[in-house]
Order: sequence, then structure tokens, then C-alpha cells
Amino acid sequence: AQSVTQLDSHVSVSEGTPVLLRCNYSSSYSPSLFWYVQHPNKGLQLLLKYTSAATLVKGINGFEAEFKKSETSFHLTKPSAHMSDAAEYFCVVRRDSWGKLQFGAGTQVVVTP
Amino acid sequence: EPEVTQTPSHQVTQMGQEVILRCVPISNHLYFYWYRQILGQKVEFLVSFYNNEISEKSEIFDDQFSVERPDGSNFTLKIRSTKLEDSAMYFCASSPPGTELAGGPSGVTQYFGPGTRLTVL
Repeated sequence: AQSVTQLDSHVSVSEGTPVLLRCNYSSSYSPSLFWYVQHPNKGLQLLLKYTSAATLVKGINGFEAEFKKSETSFHLTKPSAHMSDAAEYFCVVRRDSWGKLQFGAGTQVVVTP
Repeated sequence: EPEVTQTPSHQVTQMGQEVILRCVPISNHLYFYWYRQILGQKVEFLVSFYNNEISEKSEIFDDQFSVERPDGSNFTLKIRSTKLEDSAMYFCASSPPGTELAGGPSGVTQYFGPGTRLTVL
């Protein structure tokens, strides 16, 4: 069975400081992992995905994530937060070959001036 | 850039009524999905649809739910007799052809619509 755990329900950062959103997964085989972002009243937007290629994945808006098999982690980082990064972020694992996605509980990011 | 669209953005209905939520996937996509998010809870998979039939469904997707691709562009979710607990944000997603391993769209991204907020009174 596959699942994802987002370790923080809320993260508050100051503008210009680094952002770290933590995600651990469990999977019986090599997973496909994703980070999606949801801005208020908007749909889910893909930030980046890992599908067994490079372990360091770069996404949009300066975000990146590193797949660490030994730690079963896929943490999302950004060196310098922007006010527009305030949103909810979801770590997601693909459950099966038909593409069923399993979402983490989400991390709400607040960026303060 | 092509987007998945959903209508309406907000639907209010009385318990026991039928509702149809509509989605227009991206035009060259072949795989279609519905997910829902009850307020304060995780986004949950409901159903996947490929080649005009359901490929997978969750335990949530009981006989009250049905999906259809009536005209080659729209993808609909129908709830026959709504319950209070059906109140949620419903997201449609679609994905293009991928590297079809084991019969499914491995390795491709799902693109989500903005959602329809369903409120059952």
C-alpha cells in the first residue's frame, strides 16, 4: 500500500527566507511523487514530479524537491519565499498504473512581510 | 495554455436532488478523473475513466454516482440523490497518453480543474 504523510499542517515563513515542506511516503515499489499547490479559490496546480529519473527535481516558481529513498522522503524547498507562495501544498503519490493519486493532508503556507 | 474547466463553480442543492457536475478536459487527453475534498479533509480519489468506461473507482463511488463522456468533450459526474455528506469540492482532472504500462497512463501528469463546490442543504 502507498501513502503520504505531510509532517506540518501549517508553516509560517518571512518573505525572503527559505521554505521547507516535509513529506514522507510509504510505497511497496518505486513511487511516482508529486507536489501540487492550491491557491485560494483556484484549482490544483502541479509544481513538480518525480518519476524515477533524477532525484533532485526542479519545478515551477523556484521550487525543488529531493527524492531520498533511504529516508522515504520527498521534501519541497524554495530558497526565498515570496508573498505569492502563500497557498496550500499537497504531497501526492501515484497509487497504481491507472494513475489514481493519493494526497497528503496538505500544508498551509503563510508568508509574512 | 490549455486548461481543464469546470462548471458551475458553486452548486447549491437540496438533499435528495440530482446534480450534474461538468468538466471539459484538455482536448487531446485520454484519461479522466474525479476527486473530491470534503472541507478540512484530504483530497480523495473517486473514479478514473478511459476509453468510455470506468477503469477504477473508489469505495466512495457507489451506485449514487455515475460518470459519462456524452459528446467527446464534456466529462460529467452525476450524483442521483444527494446527501448532506456529499457536500465537498469536486475536482476533475485529465491526463494525456503516456507510457502505457500495465494498461495505464504511467508517467504522465494529471491536470486539475478549479473545482466545483457542492453544498447540499
